[in-house]
Amino acid sequence: GQNIDQPTEMTATEGAIVQINCTYQTSGFNGLFWYQQHAGEAPTFLSYNVLDGLEEKGRFSSFLSRSKGYSYLLLKELQMKDSASYLCACLDSNYQLIWGAGTKLIIKP
Amino acid sequence: EAQVTQNPRYLITVTGKKLTVTCSQNMNHEYMSWYRQDPGLGLRQIYYSMNVEVTDKGDVPEGYKVSRKEKRNFPLILESPSPNQTSLYFCASSSLGTSGGATTDTQYFGPGTRLTVL
Repeated sequence: GQNIDQPTEMTATEGAIVQINCTYQTSGFNGLFWYQQHAGEAPTFLSYNVLDGLEEKGRFSSFLSRSKGYSYLLLKELQMKDSASYLCACLDSNYQLIWGAGTKLIIKP
Repeated sequence: EAQVTQNPRYLITVTGKKLTVTCSQNMNHEYMSWYRQDPGLGLRQIYYSMNVEVTDKGDVPEGYKVSRKEKRNFPLILESPSPNQTSLYFCASSSLGTSGGATTDTQYFGPGTRLTVL
């Protein structure tokens, strides 16, 4: 079956760095997305990776290893507004999106 | 402004009373979909549509209907709601990928509809 695993919850300190991991098993693979979702709000796009390696966008970076079925989202210089859930999603061989349950990130002062 | 709108944002109803949640996008997107989100389960796709008059079941279609008569609108219909359909619902749209199905471009989500069925 198809499966995406992410930690349920993580806690980090303001100003620090946090890495949120995502492992996936899907029928084929056409890329991986990361979305941010604040409580009660809609998800918003953060990144898309289809090739191995690290993509950096300001304070946020996303890494992909296709051979390991693994990705991570790296958040640097954490701010209180980064408190949110982070959703990992994969496009399978039929270009259907498979979503993880999300990781709730709590930032403490 | 590019956006996906949903109405209503909040709805409390009773078992068996038919309801419709509307979804509209102004980006001329071909691909639209409906999700429900429940604690600990993440986003689960209910139905999706790749163009006008083309709809397909997602992972959890039971108890729901959709229609796509116009490109911009994709209403979600609950003919006989039940308490297990209490959830947070999101509509999303995107351009259609060149290989069909969801695109590698971003999905734009509506603000969500919080539905409670008593």
